[in-house]
Amino acid sequence: GQNIDQPTEMTATEGAIVQINCTYQTSGFNGLFWYQQHAGEAPTFLSYNVLDGLEEKGRFSSFLSRSKGYSYLLLKELQMKDSASYLCAVIYNQGGKLIFGQGTELSVKP
Amino acid sequence: EAQVTQNPRYLITVTGKKLTVTCSQNMNHEYMSWYRQDPGLGLRQIYYSMNVEVTDKGDVPEGYKVSRKEKRNFPLILESPSPNQTSLYFCASSSGPDVGELFFGEGSRLTVL
Repeated sequence: GQNIDQPTEMTATEGAIVQINCTYQTSGFNGLFWYQQHAGEAPTFLSYNVLDGLEEKGRFSSFLSRSKGYSYLLLKELQMKDSASYLCAVIYNQGGKLIFGQGTELSVKP
Repeated sequence: EAQVTQNPRYLITVTGKKLTVTCSQNMNHEYMSWYRQDPGLGLRQIYYSMNVEVTDKGDVPEGYKVSRKEKRNFPLILESPSPNQTSLYFCASSSGPDVGELFFGEGSRLTVL
């Protein structure tokens, strides 16, 4: 299968930096998404990576290495409102099949 | 306002009683898809549609049907719901699966007794 692996839970301190990793199977890879989901709400888009490298968007950055099947989401200057689940998802084979990881539950503590 | 609208938002039903969850988007998106979300399993794709009259199975299509007769609508049909279909369902749309942001509806919480 096309498994997407990410840590189940992470804890970080307000104002700090946290990196959430995601690994995936490379065969047929087309692109990788990161979404944020607060409890009881719909996922909201954070980033979409197709090419290798780092893309920065405010406090959030996303990195992709296609050869290694690896991505990470970097959150800087953490705020309490960043406590949420972060979902990694991969598009395969230029089709419409989108595979999500189980999500990483991030808790930001004062 | 650009949005994806799902109905109903909450539903309690009984085993075997056919139901339809509607999904409508007002962004002229070609790509639409359905997901279910269960604790510990994350979001799993049920069906997707690349355009009108074009649908395909995702990872967990068993027990579900879809149709795409118009661009804006993509209903999810449970012909004979069972308790294992109790879940939180999300509809989503985008210009295309590999062109960027997927817009999600607010979710439909379904309980099958």
